[in-house]
Amino acid sequence: KAGVTQTPRYLIKTRGQQVTLSCSPISGHRSVSWYQQTPGQGLQFLFEYFSETQRNKGNFPGRFSGRQFSNSRSEMNVSTLELGDSALYLCASSLGVKVNTGELFFGEGSRLTVL
Amino acid sequence: DQQVKQNSPSLSVQEGRISILNCDYTNSMFDYFLWYKKYPAEGPTFLISISSIKDKNEDGRFTVFLNKSAKHLSLHIVPSQPGDSAVYFCAASDIFQGAQKLVFGQGTRLTINP
Repeated sequence: KAGVTQTPRYLIKTRGQQVTLSCSPISGHRSVSWYQQTPGQGLQFLFEYFSETQRNKGNFPGRFSGRQFSNSRSEMNVSTLELGDSALYLCASSLGVKVNTGELFFGEGSRLTVL
Repeated sequence: DQQVKQNSPSLSVQEGRISILNCDYTNSMFDYFLWYKKYPAEGPTFLISISSIKDKNEDGRFTVFLNKSAKHLSLHIVPSQPGDSAVYFCAASDIFQGAQKLVFGQGTRLTINP
């Protein structure tokens, strides 16, 4: 079955602009999580959506937002981009049941460069 | 604050030998721990996990050990193979957040030398 698909894979923006990233989860997965990966910081949790509702949120400013659609596809948006937002943004999907299997299925990521 | 720490940014091991990757955590509420592996230009893939009620979990060449009193876990790879060269992330979750909010370490780049 198809994996997690993220678009676009690469993008370049300038400070002050906004960006929208898209994620299509594995078919049947209802939970979509977003993570930011930067050098030296590992993966930092942004937010998680389940059945179109945000269930968990990380410690990121309000410029970072997301949503999930009825087909479980998700988008995240970053407004008023800053240089420090340059990172790899990873989307992960899972069935979403609250069982600690921990197995998230990640996409290849969207690499954002802010100039 | 970094609740999950991988203090070694990189590790180099000879092919066939044992690779040991370490991870420390500070939050005593964590009750589930995982290791993910990441190749360049790919997303992380789940490798192995362990619940806090166990102190060891084994899957083929991979074994994870958990020392709750020391808040420390380690991943052993025996024998190490060139295809194991990747970045390894340790992650943790707690029962209240479930698997959908993982706290990751910074990663350790493992290089297996032939």
